[in-house]
Amino acid sequence: DGGITQSPKYLFRKEGQNVTLSCEQNLNHDAMYWYRQDPGQGLRLIYYSQIVNDFQKGDIAEGYSVSREKKESFPLTVTSAQKNPTAFYLCASSLQGVATEAFFGQGTRLTVV
Amino acid sequence: DQQVKQNSPSLSVQEGRISILNCDYTNSMFDYFLWYKKYPAEGPTFLISISSIKDKNEDGRFTVFLNKSAKHLSLHIVPSQPGDSAVYFCAAAYSGAGSYQLTFGKGTKLSVIP
Repeated sequence: DGGITQSPKYLFRKEGQNVTLSCEQNLNHDAMYWYRQDPGQGLRLIYYSQIVNDFQKGDIAEGYSVSREKKESFPLTVTSAQKNPTAFYLCASSLQGVATEAFFGQGTRLTVV
Repeated sequence: DQQVKQNSPSLSVQEGRISILNCDYTNSMFDYFLWYKKYPAEGPTFLISISSIKDKNEDGRFTVFLNKSAKHLSLHIVPSQPGDSAVYFCAAAYSGAGSYQLTFGKGTKLSVIP
């Protein structure tokens, strides 16, 4: 079954700790994205990657970092510099350069205590 | 500055009636529009899309209308069913830099009352 997998579904961390969220896809998509959702807000773009070893900042990249060493994987690190890290994080992927839908993972709920 | 706006945070509709969800955008470069459906604690799932070269796209009970001059699109669900109760996100994209990044609205929570 092709799809996009995020893990874990729920994550708890102490304030001041870095944490890495996993995102893997087997759809052979070139483009991958990280979004953040807060209550009453839409999905806001954190980072995106159009190709392996390349990525760009989205609208709210401060306090986050990413890597794209493999086509299938796009992990997101929430660093201690992120002021309000508690949120629902969504990873997505899509075909590069084609007007088509993005496929989303099931999300990771990060709670920082 | 919000480029994609969904001005109704919530909508309640009786089962069997039509649900109309609205979306406005400000960026005239957007050339592709999508609707996603989202249940709590899950990722959004794609519902229907429309290219800027069209003004209507239909898929079963779902129809999306695009009015480019007004920078407005709407999603019609007919007939509405209780299982349609979810948050609906409007999204827009443009082909700048070869990547169709999506810009989302804040969502409209649809409740279909049995």
